[in-house]
Amino acid sequence: NAGVTQTPKFQVLKTGQSMTLQCAQDMNHEYMSWYRQDPGMGLRLIHYSVGAGITDQGEVPNGYNVSRSTTEDFPLRLLSAAPSQTSVYFCASSDPGFGEQYFGPGTRLTVT
Amino acid sequence: GQQVMQIPQYQHVQEGEDFTTYCNSSTTLSNIQWYKQRPGGHPVFLIQLVKSGEVKKQKRLTFQFGEAKKNSSLHITATQTTDVGTYFCAAYWYSSASKIIFGSGTRLSIRP
Repeated sequence: NAGVTQTPKFQVLKTGQSMTLQCAQDMNHEYMSWYRQDPGMGLRLIHYSVGAGITDQGEVPNGYNVSRSTTEDFPLRLLSAAPSQTSVYFCASSDPGFGEQYFGPGTRLTVT
Repeated sequence: GQQVMQIPQYQHVQEGEDFTTYCNSSTTLSNIQWYKQRPGGHPVFLIQLVKSGEVKKQKRLTFQFGEAKKNSSLHITATQTTDVGTYFCAAYWYSSASKIIFGSGTRLSIRP
């Protein structure tokens, strides 16, 4: 039981490049979400999903896309990276109905 | 939009002193969760509060949910160096059951 896994751990992009951050969980959780963490800003919700085929926007969705084709996977796509997207990204999963959230180890992204 | 304010942003205490962090919402919450993040790590779930006026204890940690379900606090008695980290509250509202919003966190550092 690996819990929530994220790849890569570190990534450096140039402005304008695109990439996908991967997130997978093996706990059969319906709810998955993506956060970004910036110094002094806490965790800000980017997108979330309540089940396969269902996604919704969080607090800061601009510049990011998500899809949820399976229960296990919830990738986050950066379409055209900008320096403002330099951050640490966390994926989390939980049971529905206000469940405890399990976080992945994070991806540290730098956009130059 | 929905937001939860968390204070203080930083707290530096002598080992053995007490520590408290507070979260406040202008609207009624359905429930609130607390997480701890160690430096360089990911957030880890501590507890969930659901009922008005609820008080829960975990060893030296005491969690409270206000009578109006608009505020919550985490109190640590006699801090130890293992308590170092950032403490976040995470709030759910009845109007957006699937969306969790985190406070900005309180970073606790301790002088041995």
